[in-house]
Amino acid sequence: GQNIDQPTEMTATEGAIVQINCTYQTSGFNGLFWYQQHAGEAPTFLSYNVLDGLEEKGRFSSFLSRSKGYSYLLLKELQMKDSASYLCAVMDSNYQLIWGAGTKLIIKP
Amino acid sequence: NAGVTQTPKFRILKIGQSMTLQCAQDMNHNYMYWYRQDPGMGLKLIYYSVGAGITDKGEVPNGYNVSRSTTEDFPLRLELAAPSQTSVYFCASSYSEGGGETQYFGPGTRLLVL
Repeated sequence: GQNIDQPTEMTATEGAIVQINCTYQTSGFNGLFWYQQHAGEAPTFLSYNVLDGLEEKGRFSSFLSRSKGYSYLLLKELQMKDSASYLCAVMDSNYQLIWGAGTKLIIKP
Repeated sequence: NAGVTQTPKFRILKIGQSMTLQCAQDMNHNYMYWYRQDPGMGLKLIYYSVGAGITDKGEVPNGYNVSRSTTEDFPLRLELAAPSQTSVYFCASSYSEGGGETQYFGPGTRLLVL
């Protein structure tokens, strides 16, 4: 079966750095996405990785290791507005997105 | 651009009632999707469409129907509502299905079936 695993909840302090991990087992791989979802709102796109390595975009970076079935999202200089759920999704061989349950990130002052 | 719009925002249905969730996009996207999101679960694909007149089942299609008569609109029909269909429904669209193609989401419809 297809499976995406990520921690249910994480807590971090404003100004700090947090790493959210995602492991996956899917039938085929056409890239991995990270989305941000604030409570009661729609998911919004953060990043996309299809090759191994690190993609940096401002305070957010995303890493992929295809051989390990592993990705992480790194958030630096945390701000209170970063309190949200972070969704990991893998595009399978049929170009359909398989979604993880999301990691709820709580930022404390 | 309004992006992806959905109506209604919230609805309460009685068991056995029917309703249509509306979805429209103004980005001229070919691909459109319906997902449901349940607490503690990942988004599940209900139906998708690769263009006007073409639809296909996703992972959880039972109890739902769709149509795509225009590029812009992709309504989702619930024929006989059941408590198991209580969920948040998101419509999304993308230009193509290729790797890296971002899906843009509507604000969601919260449905409660009692």
